[in-house]
Amino acid sequence: GENVEQHPSTLSVQEGDSAVIKCTYSDSASNYFPWYKQELGKRPQLIIDIRSNVGEKKDQRIAVTLNKTAKHFSLHITETQPEDSAVYFCAADNTDKLIFGTGTRLQVFP
Amino acid sequence: DAGVIQSPRHEVTEMGQEVTLRCKPISGHNSLFWYRQTMMRGLELLIYFNNNVPIDDSGMPEDRFSAKMPNASFSTLKIQPSEPRDSAVYFCASSLNRLPMGQFFGPGTRLTVL
Repeated sequence: GENVEQHPSTLSVQEGDSAVIKCTYSDSASNYFPWYKQELGKRPQLIIDIRSNVGEKKDQRIAVTLNKTAKHFSLHITETQPEDSAVYFCAADNTDKLIFGTGTRLQVFP
Repeated sequence: DAGVIQSPRHEVTEMGQEVTLRCKPISGHNSLFWYRQTMMRGLELLIYFNNNVPIDDSGMPEDRFSAKMPNASFSTLKIQPSEPRDSAVYFCASSLNRLPMGQFFGPGTRLTVL
């Protein structure tokens, strides 16, 4: 079955700096890779996703890149702000369900 | 648009009691997922339904857990009897198609078993 690994587990950056979170997956049949942001005490919220027919997708300050050959994908946040502080989860599809990474706790210091 | 609705938002119960968590998916969505989240184990998929039919319950921890989806707009997750190690946040999520594209989470139920 699919296995998703996520690094780092914690990440601290200064406001205005960039943050990068990386994930690898094991099943080459996976075709859909969403990213979720979970603020403390809140639900995971879908912030961006990418499908295997594209290599990069951008939405304002966030972007996701996908390398299907290497089976890894990354989340890039530029010009970080304190409100970006949260836990971020990557995921990959496996038949009809999502397999989640273990999460990255991002702290943005003013 | 109403998102995924879950009730109760918080539940505190004593060991041995029955607990029932409820979920209403987004209208028109035909796939529904139950997750459990803890610090130790992260986000675990317990069971999912497609068109009200359970497709994969391999994540259900043991026979004390059961889930039903009697119609397209309602699902329950039941724990009987509950144990302290069941304490967690339980999320329900729904999506439009069988593939998990655009899966949306409810606010969760924080369960504490004393």
